[in-house]
Amino acid sequence: NAGVTQTPKFQVLKTGQSMTLQCAQDMNHNSMYWYRQDPGMGLRLIYYSASEGTTDKGEVPNGYNVSRLNKREFSLRLESAAPSQTSVYFCASTSGSGNTDTQYFGPGTRLTVL
Amino acid sequence: GEDVEQSLFLSVREGDSSVINCTYTDSSSTYLYWYKQEPGAGLQLLTYIFSNMDMKQDQRLTVLLNKKDKHLSLRIADTQTGDSAIYFCGGSTLGRLYFGRGTQLTVWP
Repeated sequence: NAGVTQTPKFQVLKTGQSMTLQCAQDMNHNSMYWYRQDPGMGLRLIYYSASEGTTDKGEVPNGYNVSRLNKREFSLRLESAAPSQTSVYFCASTSGSGNTDTQYFGPGTRLTVL
Repeated sequence: GEDVEQSLFLSVREGDSSVINCTYTDSSSTYLYWYKQEPGAGLQLLTYIFSNMDMKQDQRLTVLLNKKDKHLSLRIADTQTGDSAIYFCGGSTLGRLYFGRGTQLTVWP
């Protein structure tokens, strides 16, 4: 199993450009998450999807949209990138079965917005 | 909302024990977690404890949970340079994880 994969690993955008961050998991997990990590701020939840076909806002959803394309894939879109969105983005998934709720994380996408 | 507090930095000498502390506000979490993040990588689950337990030991790791004080700690025995990383404590409520800001552990040789 590859676990949770993310593409791209690095990206540089200009202000106003758009892009989509891709995430996929092969663990048949129900729930998927997008976080951003900024120095000294820890992880902040942007959006999550408790199950296929549903998405919900987290702490910091402004400026982002998500799509739960199918059970495996959960994408994060920046429609008009801003320098404040420079961050490291992590995707995660969990079985959502109510057991340990252990989250498995992808390796991250390092995004710089100029 | 959930609130998790951790000290930001901890430095220890190789071979000593490290203790990372965490306090939280949400008492409804079923599980409490410790995650480790190495430079340039995502978070990896280190260990977790069920909320009705007081202690869990896993090789060099000991997790202590004081539910009354909402205090969680991670003790790493015989700390090695490879343990240098950021450690996050967190809990889960309704399937959503919440994290502290992370403690940067630096191990000096």
